[in-house]
Order: sequence, then structure tokens, then C-alpha cells
Amino acid sequence: AQKVTQAQTEISVVEKEDVTLDCVYETRDTTYYLFWYKQPPSGELVFLIRRNSFDEQNEISGRYSWNFQKSTSSFNFTITASQVVDSAVYFCALSEYNQGGKLIFGQGTELSVKP
Amino acid sequence: ETGVTQTPRHLVMGMTNKKSLKCEQHLGHNAMYWYKQSAKKPLELMFVYSLEERVENNSVPSRFSPECPNSSHLFLHLHTLQPEDSALYLCASSQVPARSTEAFFGQGTRLTVV
Repeated sequence: AQKVTQAQTEISVVEKEDVTLDCVYETRDTTYYLFWYKQPPSGELVFLIRRNSFDEQNEISGRYSWNFQKSTSSFNFTITASQVVDSAVYFCALSEYNQGGKLIFGQGTELSVKP
Repeated sequence: ETGVTQTPRHLVMGMTNKKSLKCEQHLGHNAMYWYKQSAKKPLELMFVYSLEERVENNSVPSRFSPECPNSSHLFLHLHTLQPEDSALYLCASSQVPARSTEAFFGQGTRLTVV
């Protein structure tokens, strides 16, 4: 069965701190895709990154970085030097190869960055 | 035009009302989705339309009725809802069968059933 677990419900940090959001997934497929989305107060989910199961290379995009570890079924997201504008709910999601684009979401982590 | 547009943004309806949520995508995608986001719960997939055919219905009560007249438009018709149906309803689109393509989401409709 597919499942995504984000154990951290809420995280609060002070601006300029680094913060890591954890994501653990379960799947029986060997081909799958992992995603991170950001949901600001306005409501829409903003796509941040996609990773396929064959690509374990870590990725950095500005202050954002992602650590994909198949051995531990984890896809963690780190924000370096956090800013107030990073405050949002962050969702990790899984899509399996034969599921036609269907996304399985984690519960989300609400990040609050205080000035 | 933004990629995926949902209207209305907010909706308050009584349990005996009938209303519809609308979603429109301008991305040329061929698959559209309805998700429900309740407080303190993960997003739940409700319906999937691929090439205008419904391919998934995740045990959603019949008081929710989707309609996909073409690949750019998706509706969710609502009738005799319950207070527990109050939630944020999100529409998304993607390109299939490009399975690795990310889904793009609208801003959602905040529904309150009174």
C-alpha cells in the first residue's frame, strides 16, 4: 500500500535558522515519483520539486535542498536561512508509475518562521 | 490567466441547496482531479478524469457529482451536503500518461455547509 508520513505537524523557527522537514514514504512499486508542494495561506498548492525513484541525486535550488534516500524511504526538505515568506504548509506526495498521475499526500507540516 | 482557476473561491450553502464548483485549466493538460482538504487531514483524492473519462471515484458519497465536459473544464455538483463536507476543495490538472509530470493546483474553493 502507498503511504506518505510527515511526522512533524508544526515547526516554528526564527528567521535565518535552517529547518528540515521530514518525509517518509511506503510503496511496493520500483518506479515512483516524489514531490514537495507548498501551500501558502492563499490556498493553492505550489509545486516545488519532483524526483523519480531512479534518481537519488540530491538537489539544491537557492535556499531549498532535498535529500532523497531510498535506503530509508525518505525524501527530506531543508530550507536554509529561513525567511518569514517561507511560512506555509508543506506537503510531501508520492505518485506510483501505474497510477495515472494520482498523488498520495502526507499530512503536511505547518512551518512558521518568526521575525 | 493563471494555470488552474477555480470559482467560486468561497461558498456558504445550506444542507438543502444545490451548487456547483467550477475548475478551468489553461495548460493543455488531459487529466483533471478533485481533492478534498479537511482540517487536520491529508488531501484526499475524490475523482480523476483522464481524457474526459472518469477513471477513479474514491468511494465519494453520491451527494458529490463530478462532470468533465471537455479537457479544460471540470465541475463538482453539490446537493444535500452535510456539515462535515465543509472543507477546501482543490482542483488539479496534469498531463498523462507522462507519469512523472507534476500536477498543478488551483487556489481552491473554501466550502462551508451550514
